[in-house]
Amino acid sequence: DVKVTQSSRYLVKRTGEKVFLECVQDMDHENMFWYRQDPGLGLRLIYFSYDVKMKEKGDIPEGYSVSREKKERFSLILESASTNQTSMYLCASSLNQGARGNEQYFGPGTRLTVT
Amino acid sequence: AQKITQTQPGMFVQEKEAVTLDCTYDTSDPSYGLFWYKQPSSGEMIFLIYQGSYDQQNATEGRYSLNFQKARKSANLVISASQLGDSAMYFCAMRENQGAQKLVFGQGTRLTINP
Repeated sequence: DVKVTQSSRYLVKRTGEKVFLECVQDMDHENMFWYRQDPGLGLRLIYFSYDVKMKEKGDIPEGYSVSREKKERFSLILESASTNQTSMYLCASSLNQGARGNEQYFGPGTRLTVT
Repeated sequence: AQKITQTQPGMFVQEKEAVTLDCTYDTSDPSYGLFWYKQPSSGEMIFLIYQGSYDQQNATEGRYSLNFQKARKSANLVISASQLGDSAMYFCAMRENQGAQKLVFGQGTRLTINP
């Protein structure tokens, strides 16, 4: 089974702190994604990566950066956390050539609260 | 512009009834894919079903089927014989262009199955 893991289920940080969210997948997927999920807004793409050291901005990249030094790991970085970044963060991965439209496999999510 | 629209914020259905969750989409790309995901209260997104824009037949996966009406740009999810375990958030998503991997999600529908 595909396994996508995220470093924390719940995280509480203070305004201005630097925050690292880690995501690891064990299926040798080329693509990895970071989303945030807010009520009534669905999932919005923050950043994604097609390959090691490659990154592309999604729809809402402001206030975030990412790092992909190894194929299996994709990190989301909040350089200076703000209260409006309180949200659920979901990591996902996918193959470039999949049998069912390259569906994305998701991790369990990290619920981040910034106080 | 909203590319994926789910007009039902919440739905309540009696156990064993069939349920249809609505999804409409907007794209000018002739090549696209449509996905449905389920998110139980645990938070993890679970892939349910995929429909490619060139697929001749509606997709089916067990109790899930996708009612794909291309001319109307709708991709409704039908769950037959609903079960209590079907209670969850359901998200419709679209990927434009076969070569790209980004998904755009709708706002979601919260489905509650009553015993």
